[in-house]
Amino acid sequence: GAGVSQSPSNKVTEKGKDVELRCDPISGHTALYWYRQSLGQGLEFLIYFQGNSAPDKSGLPSDRFSAERTGGSVSTLTIQRTQQEDSAVYLCASSVGGRNYGYTFGSGTRLTVV
Amino acid sequence: RKEVEQDPGPFNVPEGATVAFNCTYSNSASQSFFWYRQDCRKEPKLLMSVYSSGNEDGRFTAQLNRASQYISLLIRDSKLSDSATYLCVATGANNLFFGTGTRLTVIP
Repeated sequence: GAGVSQSPSNKVTEKGKDVELRCDPISGHTALYWYRQSLGQGLEFLIYFQGNSAPDKSGLPSDRFSAERTGGSVSTLTIQRTQQEDSAVYLCASSVGGRNYGYTFGSGTRLTVV
Repeated sequence: RKEVEQDPGPFNVPEGATVAFNCTYSNSASQSFFWYRQDCRKEPKLLMSVYSSGNEDGRFTAQLNRASQYISLLIRDSKLSDSATYLCVATGANNLFFGTGTRLTVIP
């Protein structure tokens, strides 16, 4: 597609459930990033994928968070045993060549844990 | 200390005014810098890159001072449509670090 596509756009889940968030980057973009943004807060880096290299997971806040990128394209962010503090907008971005080229963001998934 | 620090504002300016935003970054190894714009409940969008020599895009001018680790954005002849949050961005090892943003409201 023309832009970065994320689904679902909104997700309400009960505390303790697992959720999967999906990101489909711009075709041909080798770099893919996940960030999250809590209400009134800045963007918090979560994880970075570049081609076939091992991902940079340094931003994942706990072992309940994991992500994978299949075939160098679509990525899934999984949050297990969700907690209320996980409520945020989860933003995916892709880049043609990495951080020095800037990112294009998807419209995000608004996650609410009740 | 945050990687990128900005004055959160808000800045409330009349149409036609000139407004400037500043930010500082902590990592002297940062290589690239950007300004992003984020509208309410929308994703951030790249506004412009920032180069050492300074660069201009229409009414927007960005400046970088590597010695002081300081980035600025100047908006001339403000329009109502410029109302948004402006995010200052610097590169890290593998990713971008975003400031928390400066809120601008342009008043008719």
